[in-house]
Amino acid sequence: TQLLEQSPQFLSIQEGENLTVYCNSSSVFSSLQWYRQEPGEGPVLLVTVVTGGEVKKLKRLTFQFGDARKDSSLHITAAQTGDTGLYLCAGGAGYALNFGKGTSLLVTP
Amino acid sequence: DVKVTQSSRYLVKRTGEKVFLECVQDMDHENMFWYRQDPGLGLRLIYFSYDVKMKEKGDIPEGYSVSREKKERFSLILESASTNQTSMYLCASEQGNSPRGYNEQFFGPGTRLTVL
Repeated sequence: TQLLEQSPQFLSIQEGENLTVYCNSSSVFSSLQWYRQEPGEGPVLLVTVVTGGEVKKLKRLTFQFGDARKDSSLHITAAQTGDTGLYLCAGGAGYALNFGKGTSLLVTP
Repeated sequence: DVKVTQSSRYLVKRTGEKVFLECVQDMDHENMFWYRQDPGLGLRLIYFSYDVKMKEKGDIPEGYSVSREKKERFSLILESASTNQTSMYLCASEQGNSPRGYNEQFFGPGTRLTVL
């Protein structure tokens, strides 16, 4: 199993602040997905990155895939309370995805 | 939009009971997955299936079995529920052999199972 390490594990910030969360591995992945999971719900796919160095933007969220396709970051600009949730990264590995344990983000007013 | 539904959002069972968790997807996806999610442990793959009547063990198959008689439906079975199977169970589906060269999983809302 190819391990994905996410950091930080927990993050509590105020509305309007910026933040970055990280997803790192010693393995190369063919693709990497980011999901957001709200309490009591299933994860919802946000984005997939596939090319080393690729940057994708989704409104205030910016996703980057490392040049070597071993790591990724998610940057949120001007966080809102609606961004609260568990952010999971997952790397493509054959039939299955390997998931990180997630970063739990709390955005307070 | 892909729709993955799970038969129950919350379920309470007693130790030793047989438990069925049902998952249905409406996008004609080939691949389906069952995970459990526990605090501090993340998502762990129990079983997956890449075709009707086909199944593969994931990382933690012990105490579970699965059934896939139709393409759209993937069932998880706990033959004799135990308290350590109390967890959030998540079903996911994805298109097999995507022409894009990568696959994306779509999740159901989850079933919170409590075994007393």
